[in-house]
Amino acid sequence: GNSVTQMEGPVTLSEEAFLTINCTYTATGYPSLFWYVQYPGEGLQLLLKATKADDKGSNKGFEATYRKETTSFHLEKGSVQVSDSAVYFCALPYNQGGKLIFGQGTELSVKP
Amino acid sequence: DTEVTQTPKHLVMGMTNKKSLKCEQHMGHRAMYWYKQKAKKPPELMFVYSYEKLSINESVPSRFSPECPNSSLLNLHLHALQPEDSALYLCASNDRGRNSPLHFGNGTRLTVT
Repeated sequence: GNSVTQMEGPVTLSEEAFLTINCTYTATGYPSLFWYVQYPGEGLQLLLKATKADDKGSNKGFEATYRKETTSFHLEKGSVQVSDSAVYFCALPYNQGGKLIFGQGTELSVKP
Repeated sequence: DTEVTQTPKHLVMGMTNKKSLKCEQHMGHRAMYWYKQKAKKPPELMFVYSYEKLSINESVPSRFSPECPNSSLLNLHLHALQPEDSALYLCASNDRGRNSPLHFGNGTRLTVT
């Protein structure tokens, strides 16, 4: 089945700093790729997705580009806010059966 | 607000108790999932229901028993749990298909004493 490797945290940034969280994958074919975010005390929310190579997913100032040549889907944001403090998970389908697998998660803490 | 509703939000139970977790969605999704999540770890898949039939059981111990009474509801029955089963239990749903993202509830925080 497919697999995903994600940069581990925690990551601590000052407000308005640039954010990159690395995610690389191995996959058969070209599955959709996802970033989920989990705020304290909540479940996971879909942050963005990309369904094919060179697609760019974007939402709330976050972006990630589906890079087939480097098998990567890095998450970026140009200027983080305190409210972005959360745990971020990269994810993709394990196989055709509907199971989604997650990276280890990266905890982001943004200080004012 | 999440479109997947889980109850209760918190549950404390002894090792001899029987309890149930409930999940409801009204998005017309035909696949529903139970995940277990330990603190600051990724969710681990437990069960998948597709069209109200159990399609995946990730070798979960029998003290966890899922049930899907209809296309909107998913239950997880708990019996004789161990302290190591304490975790956040997340329900999710999606349209069947690899490109369909999961919609998660906010989870039930379970503590087994």
